[in-house]
Amino acid sequence: NAGVMQNPRHLVRRRGQEARLRCSPMKGHSHVYWYRQLPEEGLKFMVYLQKENIIDESGMPKERFSAEFPKEGPSILRIQQVVRGDSAAYFCASSPTSGIYDEQFFGPGTRLTVL
Amino acid sequence: EDKVVQSPLSLVVHEGDTVTLNCSYEVTNFRSLLWYKQEKKAPTFLFMLTSSGIEKKSGRLSSILDKKELFSILNITATQTGDSAVYLCAPHSGAGSYQLTFGKGTKLSVIP
Repeated sequence: NAGVMQNPRHLVRRRGQEARLRCSPMKGHSHVYWYRQLPEEGLKFMVYLQKENIIDESGMPKERFSAEFPKEGPSILRIQQVVRGDSAAYFCASSPTSGIYDEQFFGPGTRLTVL
Repeated sequence: EDKVVQSPLSLVVHEGDTVTLNCSYEVTNFRSLLWYKQEKKAPTFLFMLTSSGIEKKSGRLSSILDKKELFSILNITATQTGDSAVYLCAPHSGAGSYQLTFGKGTKLSVIP
């Protein structure tokens, strides 16, 4: 029973390039959350998605960042024209429902380094 | 703005010691509070607390929530080197989205 999977685990990009981070939720989970962890900081919520719907993107920067969770395939967090300040660990979590009493299961994260 | 403060930020103890980690929070629409353990990879779930005064226990770890005073504590007794990690506190909040708001964590180092 695989847990939440994220790939790649490490991603290096030069300034101005695009970064695509993928997240496959646990089997049976249809709710995905993305969090960002900057060095020496706690995890910060970015976006919450259900299949084909963005439910809450209040934590995501308005420019250059987008997220999707298509009917088929993994959830994708896309960062266009990356800058050095985007260097961070990006974690994805999933839950079976959006219930307030459901824990969120986290993936191993993608560590993005922008040169 | 939602706020979560964990203390201490870091802690070094010897094996066998007992530690208490603190988490105070101010969040809108509080639902529950979760504790996670992070060891250089995915945060792993420890506890979910929803009611005040009811202790949750798992082996040497226990946790309790005070919804009136807006804090939670995580206790670890008879610490082992394998307990070395960052412990994260995360109230569940946000109307309609159920996002977790994380503190910066407490870095626990257990030395032999």
